[in-house]
Amino acid sequence: GDSVTQMEGPVTLSEEAFLTINCTYTATGYPSLFWYVQYPGEGLQLLLKATKADDKGSNKGFEATYRKETTSFHLEKGSVQVSDSAVYFCALSERGSQGNLIFGKGTKLSVKP
Amino acid sequence: GAVVSQHPSRVICKSGTSVKIECRSLDFQATTMFWYRQFPKQSLMLMATSNEGSKATYEQGVEKDKFLINHASLTLSTLTVASAHPEDSSFYICSARQGAYDEQYFGPGTRLTVT
Repeated sequence: GDSVTQMEGPVTLSEEAFLTINCTYTATGYPSLFWYVQYPGEGLQLLLKATKADDKGSNKGFEATYRKETTSFHLEKGSVQVSDSAVYFCALSERGSQGNLIFGKGTKLSVKP
Repeated sequence: GAVVSQHPSRVICKSGTSVKIECRSLDFQATTMFWYRQFPKQSLMLMATSNEGSKATYEQGVEKDKFLINHASLTLSTLTVASAHPEDSSFYICSARQGAYDEQYFGPGTRLTVT
């Protein structure tokens, strides 16, 4: 079945450091790919998404590119802030927004001042 | 953005009792609500999908008689854990979606501990 694998955390960075959180997926079709973020005490929020190969999703300085050849959707940010501390989940859906979401295990990011 | 609330945020109960968790969409009407379960350091696992006014669709391996889901209105879904046991202790998260093509909005989760 479909699955998502993301790097295990926690990841600890200093402010203004470069961030990469790796995500790879297994799917039978052509899924849509998502990154969700969960701040402490809050629900998951959609951070960005991409619906087809080579699409780049971006939001709040975060980017991820849908790479079909490597089945990857790595999350990057050039300069993290303390406020980016959160848990990040990679997810896929086989039928876009209509389909059920399949999540990775989440990666906790802590950014130190 | 759209807001989904859950109540309670945390509950501790004795083994054998039933616990009800509420999920509400505060500023939109949710035709579909989803219930997830999350174990420590594990991904969110979809338990069931419910559409307003109809029976929930449960994922394989989820006991429908233990995890009772009701979606009686467009803004409220409830998950009742019947006769809870310690192995039911987990983090339960709901999400809501207005239309079939819309984004899911997630609640903050409910931590259930069964002693």
